[in-house]
Amino acid sequence: NAGVMQNPRHLVRRRGQEARLRCSPMKGHSHVYWYRQLPEEGLKFMVYLQKENIIDESGMPKERFSAEFPKEGPSILRIQQVVRGDSAAYFCASSPPNQAGGANEQYFGPGTRLTVT
Amino acid sequence: AQSVTQLGSHVSVSEGALVLLRCNYSSSVPPYLFWYVQYPNQGLQLLLKYTTGATLVKGINGFEAEFKKSETSFHLTKPSAHMSDAAEYFCAVSDRATSYDKVIFGPGTSLSVIP
Repeated sequence: NAGVMQNPRHLVRRRGQEARLRCSPMKGHSHVYWYRQLPEEGLKFMVYLQKENIIDESGMPKERFSAEFPKEGPSILRIQQVVRGDSAAYFCASSPPNQAGGANEQYFGPGTRLTVT
Repeated sequence: AQSVTQLGSHVSVSEGALVLLRCNYSSSVPPYLFWYVQYPNQGLQLLLKYTTGATLVKGINGFEAEFKKSETSFHLTKPSAHMSDAAEYFCAVSDRATSYDKVIFGPGTSLSVIP
């Protein structure tokens, strides 16, 4: 069973360009989470999605950032008009449908390291 | 709202020595607690988790953690450090006030193991 896949692993964009980050969850997982990790910092929650639905986007910047998880295909995190402050590692995690009485483990992908020049 | 603090952003131990990484949390409801490890240029991997039941939780690679409600702590320990344990360690709490498993991560502790 393949793990969470993210691509590209490294992405370089110039200021003002768009960045598209892709995440394919583990087979059977219907929940996807995106996190951002800045140097010397922990992971900051950005958004939680289920198939075709955004459940919680409270951690997403209001402008330039969007996320989707279509019925078919990977989840996409899109950053428009990137700025240098967007340079970070972006991690995707997935989990299976909620299990009553338990805490689902989140399985993390290897991350996409975005560099804005 | 839940939050997590990790005392010590950098910890160094000698190979073979005890590893102790500290984690304290705040939560208005009984929490679910996690420890994750991140090796360089990789994603996070679950070491162990506490949900209910036994307060001493054993994880992978010889790590364990004890949930102490009175101290709101979930410290991670390993009796004998190995060079391969050098990594970033994150404590996390699941926000059970939400309808899903929203996980709040601490800032992380970087563990160095000295030969």
